[in-house]
Amino acid sequence: DVKVTQSSRYLVKRTGEKVFLECVQDMDHENMFWYRQDPGLGLRLIYFSYDVKMKEKGDIPEGYSVSREKKERFSLILESASTNQTSMYLCASSLPNRDSAFFGQGTRLTVV
Amino acid sequence: DQQVKQNSPSLSVQEGRISILNCDYTNSMFDYFLWYKKYPAEGPTFLISISSIKDKNEDGRFTVFLNKSAKHLSLHIVPSQPGDSAVYFCAAISGGGADGLTFGKGTHLIIQP
Repeated sequence: DVKVTQSSRYLVKRTGEKVFLECVQDMDHENMFWYRQDPGLGLRLIYFSYDVKMKEKGDIPEGYSVSREKKERFSLILESASTNQTSMYLCASSLPNRDSAFFGQGTRLTVV
Repeated sequence: DQQVKQNSPSLSVQEGRISILNCDYTNSMFDYFLWYKKYPAEGPTFLISISSIKDKNEDGRFTVFLNKSAKHLSLHIVPSQPGDSAVYFCAAISGGGADGLTFGKGTHLIIQP
């Protein structure tokens, strides 16, 4: 069965902390994505990667960076967390064609 | 500017009736469209998709219609069931999807008993 796993369901961090959100997929997918979901704004793409060590900015990359050292793992990094980064973060992966993307269960991050 | 629009933030439908969720897009390069369903505190799950070369795709109670000339698609759920209560996101892809899906803001469907 298809699986995208995010390391945490809920996180609470302090302003200024460095935050790592981890995502692992077991489907050997080339493409991986990080989105954030906010009420009234839908899902917005932060960063994506189409291969190991490759990364591309999405629509809202400011304040974030990513790392993809292995094909199955895509990490989202908040260098210095701020309260406006409180959100639901969703990782997804897909094959490089028109298949649907598969999502993880999400990480609810609260920055205080 | 929003390329995928879901103009109804919420929709309330009686159980057993038809639910129709609408989506409009502006980017003529989109060639594949998807609907996702999302429950609170969970990730979105894929529901149904349609290629731009088709105008209809059916899967059980779910049917998606695409009107390319109007840049409009709709998701029909018949009959609506209580478990269908969720947020539905319309999404679009161009050129294989390697640069991600473009999502609408979502429509919260509420099925009334």
